[in-house]
Amino acid sequence: AQSVSQHNHHVILSEAASLELGCNYSYGGTVNLFWYVQYPGQHLQLLLKYFSGDPLVKGIKGFEAEFIKSKFSFNLRKPSVQWSDTAEYFCADNTGTASKLTFGTGTRLQVTL
Amino acid sequence: NAGVMQNPRHLVRRRGQEARLRCSPMKGHSHVYWYRQLPEEGLKFMVYLQKENIIDESGMPKERFSAEFPKEGPSILRIQQVVRGDSAAYFCASSPVRGSLSNEKLFFGSGTQLSVL
Repeated sequence: AQSVSQHNHHVILSEAASLELGCNYSYGGTVNLFWYVQYPGQHLQLLLKYFSGDPLVKGIKGFEAEFIKSKFSFNLRKPSVQWSDTAEYFCADNTGTASKLTFGTGTRLQVTL
Repeated sequence: NAGVMQNPRHLVRRRGQEARLRCSPMKGHSHVYWYRQLPEEGLKFMVYLQKENIIDESGMPKERFSAEFPKEGPSILRIQQVVRGDSAAYFCASSPVRGSLSNEKLFFGSGTQLSVL
């Protein structure tokens, strides 16, 4: 079955540290991959997406993600995190199913001052 | 543009009662999706509706759960005879188009946290 795995459940970083959150997907065909962020008390927002083309995707707020087909991975990165990046981050895919997303379990990021 | 509006934000029910969760999509959006997030799990797709039609309900539990999106008014997710296991965050999303591209224009609400006592 199609699945998305996020291995880091809770990450604590100091401001200015670099961030990498792991995401692996299981489907081997055409992929549509997403990262969403949920700030405390707010709705899910799209950070970035990959459908095709350049495997290094730039998103909002300085985030980027790299699609590595051979590793079935789509890790999220940010060179220098800020306290305001404290949130929950969800990886998702829409592989082969037009109407629904499959989400990972999420990674809670806590950035300390 | 008010965004996707869900209400209530928090809903407390006793076992056996009914829960009704509302979702008003963004203006101009005629496609609505419901997702459920159980504790320590990711969001799981429940149902996809267009106005007056259920398109995909493959994620809906077979009993007690129903959803509608009438011609006028919000989409409603209804849970009858709630049990403790229904306690979760329920998210609604809307989009203006159908198909794989719809996920590019998918906007989420802030969710309804259902607690069953």
